[in-house]
Amino acid sequence: KAGVTQTPRYLIKTRGQQVTLSCSPISGHRSVSWYQQTPGQGLQFLFEYFSETQRNKGNFPGRFSGRQFSNSRSEMNVSTLELGDSALYLCASSLGTAHSYEQYFGPGTRLTVT
Amino acid sequence: SQQGEEDPQALSIQEGENATMNCSYKTSINNLQWYRQNSGRGLVHLILIRSNEREKHSGRLRVTLDTSKKSSSLLITASRAADTASYFCATDGGDSSASKIIFGSGTRLSIRP
Repeated sequence: KAGVTQTPRYLIKTRGQQVTLSCSPISGHRSVSWYQQTPGQGLQFLFEYFSETQRNKGNFPGRFSGRQFSNSRSEMNVSTLELGDSALYLCASSLGTAHSYEQYFGPGTRLTVT
Repeated sequence: SQQGEEDPQALSIQEGENATMNCSYKTSINNLQWYRQNSGRGLVHLILIRSNEREKHSGRLRVTLDTSKKSSSLLITASRAADTASYFCATDGGDSSASKIIFGSGTRLSIRP
């Protein structure tokens, strides 16, 4: 069974630009969650999608948004990029809701904002 | 602020020794999970323990949960070089925000040969 894939793996953007990250979950998994990891703040929950519906959202500004498609693939978008958005963005999929099921993480997208 | 806080922040032990990491959290939970992260394999799920469970085993891993003290511990027995990684506990937010997963700041474990 293929694991969680994330594209692109590395990205360099300029302040003010926007970016879209993609996540393909494990086949059969209906929940996709997104996390931001930085040295200063650690791993922080962004949002979780289940069957195309956003179930929960972390404490991030509205510049961070996401969506899930009918095939469970998910995208997250960050608009008006700031230097502080530089981070490793991790996507995880699970059979059911993230807090009750084992999450399988992708390798992440390393975003650098200059 | 973080829901879960690991202790210690860093731990260095000799190969073959046991390693114990602790996690404390603030609000009631439904489940607590432990994850490992290293550069080779990324973030990997280790164990999920439910609030009505007190102990769980998986191979060389043993997790305990004390809901009265709002704490959990992860014991790795007979450590190996491959156990070198950062270990995180993750909790849900309790009844008010059960779907939100909150990770602790992690324990960096180093295994000396």
